[in-house]
Amino acid sequence: GNSVTQMEGPVTLSEEAFLTINCTYTATGYPSLFWYVQYPGEGLQLLLKATKADDKGSNKGFEATYRKETTSFHLEKGSVQVSDSAVYFCALSKSSGSARQLTFGSGTQLTVLP
Amino acid sequence: GAGVSQSPSNKVTEKGKDVELRCDPISGHTALYWYRQSLGQGLEFLIYFQGNSAPDKSGLPSDRFSAERTGGSVSTLTIQRTQQEDSAVYLCASSDWGADTQYFGPGTRLTVL
Repeated sequence: GNSVTQMEGPVTLSEEAFLTINCTYTATGYPSLFWYVQYPGEGLQLLLKATKADDKGSNKGFEATYRKETTSFHLEKGSVQVSDSAVYFCALSKSSGSARQLTFGSGTQLTVLP
Repeated sequence: GAGVSQSPSNKVTEKGKDVELRCDPISGHTALYWYRQSLGQGLEFLIYFQGNSAPDKSGLPSDRFSAERTGGSVSTLTIQRTQQEDSAVYLCASSDWGADTQYFGPGTRLTVL
């Protein structure tokens, strides 16, 4: 079946540090890949996505590239801010008929210190 | 426009009671999903509705869980004879037909005492 493995947290960084959160997946065929973010006290929000190999998703300074050869979708940001503190979830969507339920990783808690 | 809404935001119940959780998807979205977020299990898919098709119930953890979607819009997730292990945040999401981007509601935090 489909699965997503994320690097274990929590991750604590100083403001302006470089961020990488690793994500690898197992799926047959060509899933779509996502990063969702959950800020404290809020619901899940889509951060970025990529739908085919070598696509790069980007938003709010975050980037992730769909690497089929390594089955990875690592999240990166060059300079984190305190406001980036949140839980980040990697996910994949593999259609079965019209169903596109998401399979999530376990989440990575990021804390950015001023 | 309005996003996905869920009610109640918090629900505390006693073991053995039934609960109903409501989801109001984004207007015009034909697909609706329920997920559960718990400490032990992370984020799990529960059930999926698409238009008037039969729902995909493959993620429901037991027959105490059921869901319906009336008129292709609002959905209700019902948990009968609640158990302590049902304590979790229940998330609803919706999407356009065939789209892979899902929009999530704020969730209902269920606590079973």
